[in-house]
Amino acid sequence: EAGVTQFPSHSVIEKGQTVTLRCDPISGHDNLYWYRRVMGKEIKFLLHFVKESKQDESGMPNNRFLAERTGGTYSTLKVQPAELEDSGVYFCASSQPGGGEQYFGPGTRLTVT
Amino acid sequence: KQEVTQIPAALSVPEGENLVLNCSFTDSAIYNLQWFRQDPGKGLTSLLLIQSSQREQTSGRLNASLDKSSGRSTLYIAASQPGDSATYLCAVRRYSSASKIIFGSGTRLSIRP
Repeated sequence: EAGVTQFPSHSVIEKGQTVTLRCDPISGHDNLYWYRRVMGKEIKFLLHFVKESKQDESGMPNNRFLAERTGGTYSTLKVQPAELEDSGVYFCASSQPGGGEQYFGPGTRLTVT
Repeated sequence: KQEVTQIPAALSVPEGENLVLNCSFTDSAIYNLQWFRQDPGKGLTSLLLIQSSQREQTSGRLNASLDKSSGRSTLYIAASQPGDSATYLCAVRRYSSASKIIFGSGTRLSIRP
C-alpha cells in the first residue's frame, strides 16, 4: 500500500511568488493534516481536514496560506505571496476515518529567497 | 496551552551504550504520546505510541515510558548502533485520536562507531 506522498520534494522561490504544495493521503484516509517546521523550531500543526471539510485550521499563520481538499482526496496548500519566514519543511499526514495513528509524508522543503 | 519539551537538544554517545531521551509536557490531560524518528531529508517514522491509560510500550531495543501525573516520558534505547543516529521527536495528542499532534523540538542523536 502506498504511503502519504508529497510534491514537490523541494521548491525554491523568490519572495512575493506563489507556491502550491500537494499532498496525496493514503487511500481511504478521511483525515488529512498539514504541519510545518520552520528553521530552529518544532513541528507545528497548520490544519486538519475531515474529507473535504476543514475541521481545525487554528494553526494557519495568516491569510497568505490557503488549503483546499476538493473531493476529499488530495490536498493543496498554497502560499501567496511567499515571505522569507515561510521557508521550512511542510509535512502532510493522514489517518483513517475516526482517527488513529497519523502517517506522515516525506515533506516538502520550501526555500524562499 | 500544551507545551512539549525535549532534553537534551543533542546527544552523542559511543556505539553500544544504553541511553535515555527525555520528554516533558505541561498538560497531563493527553490522549496519547508518541515517539517519532526523523532522518535527514526523510519523513517521520513512528516508533512507539503510548495510550494515556498505558505506562510503557516496547519495540525491539526501544522502550518508552509514560508518567502522566508528572508530565514525563522517556525513550530508552538499548545497545545503541550507528544506524540509530537520527532526530527523535516526542509528541502528544490532547483530546481524541483525530486531534492534532503537538511536537517537541527533538533530540538529535549521534552514535559514534
